[in-house]
Order: sequence, then C-alpha cells, then structure tokens
Amino acid sequence: AQKVTQTQTSISVMEKTTVTMDCVYETRDSSYFLFWYKQTASGEIVFLIRQDSYKKENATEGHYSLNFQKPKSSIGLIITATQIEDSAVYFCAMREWGNTNKVVFGTGTRLQVLP
Amino acid sequence: EAAVTQSPRNKVAVTGGKVTLSCNQTNNHNNMYWYRQDTGHGLRLIHYSYGAGSTEKGDIPDGYKASRPSQENFSLILELATPSQTSVYFCASGDAHRGDEQYFGPGTRLTVL
Repeated sequence: AQKVTQTQTSISVMEKTTVTMDCVYETRDSSYFLFWYKQTASGEIVFLIRQDSYKKENATEGHYSLNFQKPKSSIGLIITATQIEDSAVYFCAMREWGNTNKVVFGTGTRLQVLP
Repeated sequence: EAAVTQSPRNKVAVTGGKVTLSCNQTNNHNNMYWYRQDTGHGLRLIHYSYGAGSTEKGDIPDGYKASRPSQENFSLILELATPSQTSVYFCASGDAHRGDEQYFGPGTRLTVL
C-alpha cells in the first residue's frame, strides 16, 4: 500500500533564507507522481509543484524546487528566498500510476517564516 | 473565478440527521475527491469518482455515501450524522491524464451536535 511520511511537524526560518521540507514515500509501483501542496492560514489548499517518477530532472516552479532522490524514496521541497507569505502548512502527496486514481497525503509540515 | 466551489461553507447538524455536502467544478476534470481534515491526520480520502455515475471508496468511507450525477457535481452524504464526523471537508478535482494534480474547493466546516 502506498504511504507518505512527513516527519517534520514544524519548522521556523528567518525571512529570505532557504528551507527544505522532507518527505519519504512507499510504493510498489515503478511509476508514480509526487506533489506538494500549500495550505494557508485561511484554509485554502493550493497545488505547488509536481515530480513525475520517470523524470530525472528535479522540478522547479518559481521559488519552489524539488530534491527528488528516487533510490531513497524521498522528495524534498526547497523554498528559496523565503517570504513571510510562505508561512503555511505544506503537504506532500503521491499517486501511483497504475493502481487506482487514489492520492495519498502526508500529515503536513508547518512552516513559519520570521521577519 | 473559483473553479471548485463547495456548499454550504459552514453547517451545524444534529446527531442522527442527514447532511449533504455539495461540490461543483468547472475544470472539466474527470476525477473528483472528498477529504476530511482533522488535526494530526492531514487529509484523509473518503470517496472519489472517475467520472459521472462512478463512486469509489477511499480510506475512510464508513458512515458516508457519495454521488456523482454529472461531470461537474459530486456530493457527500451523511445519512445519520454523528459527532465524530465533525470536521472540515474538502472537495477536489483532478485530471488523471495529466498526473492528477488536484484543485481544491474552499472547504466546508461541519459541526455535528
């Protein structure tokens, strides 16, 4: 069964620094998709970035990038030049290609960016 | 313009009552999902759908039913609401052909007294 684990429950960083949030996953499928989502204080959940397992290049999107380490079943989210507005809860998620259309989420990491 | 909308946004129900949560999407996505979010559990999948007429059980389907009468609409039904179903419920849509990155509605806060 697929599983996603985020062990960091909370992180605090200073504004304009770089932060990495960890995520490890379990799957028996050779093809899968990995996602990161952001939940703001208002409760809104927004898709940020995605990594397809067959792609060797790390995905990037604005000041978000991924550190995909397939042999370690790890997909870290890197935020560079953090801003106060990046303070939120970040969820990692995975969908296996061939099994079902089910997506499994981690429990989230709360990021606080300090001025 | 919001592509996934939910109604109601807030609901107070009595134990044993019937509750229907509605979701509408204008993304033209095949897949739709219902999650609940509780502190310490993240997002847990209740039901999902591949398209009109289909519903599938997620990880925590007990006590919930779902209905997908059209591509745009997906409902979550609590036939006999219980206090343990007090939670925030999110609907989402996704395109399976594009990896199924999901687009979420604003959430419904349900309180069962």
